[in-house]
Amino acid sequence: GENVEQHPSTLSVQEGDSAVIKCTYSDSASNYFPWYKQELGKGPQLIIDIRSNVGEKKDQRIAVTLNKTAKHFSLHITETQPEDSAVYFCAVPDTGRRALTFGSGTRLQVQP
Amino acid sequence: EAGVTQFPSHSVIEKGQTVTLRCDPISGHDNLYWYRRVMGKEIKFLLHFVKESKQDESGMPNNRFLAERTGGTYSTLKVQPAELEDSGVYFCASSALGDGYTFGSGTRLTVV
Repeated sequence: GENVEQHPSTLSVQEGDSAVIKCTYSDSASNYFPWYKQELGKGPQLIIDIRSNVGEKKDQRIAVTLNKTAKHFSLHITETQPEDSAVYFCAVPDTGRRALTFGSGTRLQVQP
Repeated sequence: EAGVTQFPSHSVIEKGQTVTLRCDPISGHDNLYWYRRVMGKEIKFLLHFVKESKQDESGMPNNRFLAERTGGTYSTLKVQPAELEDSGVYFCASSALGDGYTFGSGTRLTVV
């Protein structure tokens, strides 16, 4: 099955700084890479995703980059705000299945 | 559009008792998934329904777990008898075509 590693496990930044979270995966056939944000007491919410036919995708302050050769993808948050504080998960679909394998999560704390 | 609804939001039961979790997916979503997060670790896949059929139940930990989706609408996940290691947050998600999931807020299960 798919193996996903996510780093760092915790990240603390000052408001206005940028935050980067990285995930590596094992199955070179993977072609869909979503990122989820989980706030306290809520379920994971899809915030951005990327497919393997593009290398970067942006949505306002959030961007995801993909390096298929190296089998890693990263979440970039610019101009961080306190409301960005949450746990972020990357995920990769298992080949031939709809199941997602999640990374272990990154707790992001944005200090005002 | 109503989101994915799960209840109860919290459940505390004694070891050996039975608990049933319920998930109401977004109307019209044929795909329904169960995941769980144990002890703050990664979110792990349990099973996947397509309408009322179990498409993939490879993540179910053992035969104490039983999932049903009668009529292809809501789903239930029964744990009988519950053990201490079953404690965690159980998430349900649904999707239509494509890969994007919508998660519910989860049920926090505590077995004492």
